[in-house]
Amino acid sequence: GAVVSQHPSRVICKSGTSVKIECRSLDFQATTMFWYRQFPKQSLMLMATSNEGSKATYEQGVEKDKFLINHASLTLSTLTVTSAHPEDSSFYICSAGTSGGLYNEQFFGPGTRLTVL
Amino acid sequence: GQQVMQIPQYQHVQEGEDFTTYCNSSTTLSNIQWYKQRPGGHPVFLIQLVKSGEVKKQKRLTFQFGEAKKNSSLHITATQTTDVGTYFCAGYGSSNTGKLIFGQGTTLQVKP
Repeated sequence: GAVVSQHPSRVICKSGTSVKIECRSLDFQATTMFWYRQFPKQSLMLMATSNEGSKATYEQGVEKDKFLINHASLTLSTLTVTSAHPEDSSFYICSAGTSGGLYNEQFFGPGTRLTVL
Repeated sequence: GQQVMQIPQYQHVQEGEDFTTYCNSSTTLSNIQWYKQRPGGHPVFLIQLVKSGEVKKQKRLTFQFGEAKKNSSLHITATQTTDVGTYFCAGYGSSNTGKLIFGQGTTLQVKP
């Protein structure tokens, strides 16, 4: 199946700093990537939909100025958590769908575990 | 908005026992997908069901999609310790948004 990578896998940062997470589709082109957040023992919550070459679409309650998403190419989307605070500590997962249909399976990256001290 | 509910939240079984998790949507789904997430890992796609009443099998796993396309189930026969993890159902609504809505997940623990 298609492979999605994420970097870094873990990051620990101080409160107030910004953290950038990269999501790459390694063997296919992803016009759309999705960013999820998962708190411990909870489900995946969609944060935003990232479309190549256009602005991301954010879910209700997600601050677009705090979670900056850039989808500069068909294989790379980035999520920047700006001025991170301890409550932003979570597991951030990206996913990408293959081309050829809106309802295809999504391939998930391995996730980035963010800890804000 | 569209909601996908999943029960039970947790299930502890003895190895060899069967396990079932149920998924219900507040609206009709275009399709339903099932994912498995191992502890510390990320969700991995298991299967997709599209047709009303569809049943698919993968070895000991049986997936069903309801006639009304609003519910689904995953049944594991004779569980093994390798089945441990959280199973999520996820569905695309009929509004064609391309957004996958996840259920809360069912965490399965298997005692050897």
